[in-house]
Amino acid sequence: DGGITQSPKYLFRKEGQNVTLSCEQNLNHDAMYWYRQDPGQGLRLIYYSQIVNDFQKGDIAEGYSVSREKKESFPLTVTSAQKNPTAFYLCASIDFPGNNQPQHFGDGTRLSIL
Amino acid sequence: QKEVEQDPGPLSVPEGAIVSLNCTYSNSAFQYFMWYRQYSRKGPELLMYTYSSGNKEDGRFTAQVDKSSKYISLFIRDSQPSDSATYLCAMGRTGGGNKLTFGTGTQLKVEL
Repeated sequence: DGGITQSPKYLFRKEGQNVTLSCEQNLNHDAMYWYRQDPGQGLRLIYYSQIVNDFQKGDIAEGYSVSREKKESFPLTVTSAQKNPTAFYLCASIDFPGNNQPQHFGDGTRLSIL
Repeated sequence: QKEVEQDPGPLSVPEGAIVSLNCTYSNSAFQYFMWYRQYSRKGPELLMYTYSSGNKEDGRFTAQVDKSSKYISLFIRDSQPSDSATYLCAMGRTGGGNKLTFGTGTQLKVEL
């Protein structure tokens, strides 16, 4: 089955710790996106990548980092500089950018502070 | 002022009711529009996608876009308890790298 797999489903972070959220897709999609979802605030874009080895900051990139070494993988690192990391993180993809088509989402990772 | 406004609800209706969910937007550059359904602890799933003003129907769901008024709606007919979820509107600009702007979501509960 084609889709987007996010892991783990639940993640806990200690103070001062970096954690990495995984996003893998087997849809052969070019573009991938990371969002953060907080109650009452909708989805906010953290980073996106339209092609391998290239990525751009979204609206709330501070305290986060990404890499795109392979087409199918777009991991997100939540660094210790992100002071309020508790949220639901969603990864999305689209076959190729510029075609104005909807994004497809994974089932998210819920990150909490210990 | 947010670019996209959506009533957060919660909205509670009896089974079989017609549900109307709405979003307004301020940026006339938005050209394509989506409705997503999100169950608790799950990712959003695409319900409807429209590119032009007017109505688009898919089963019990109808999406309506009025670009002149900057207003989009989702109608759910014969609502079922399985429709209980959060509904997110989203919109994008042509040439915007497929970046989407989302509403805050409306929580819907359909009661037996």
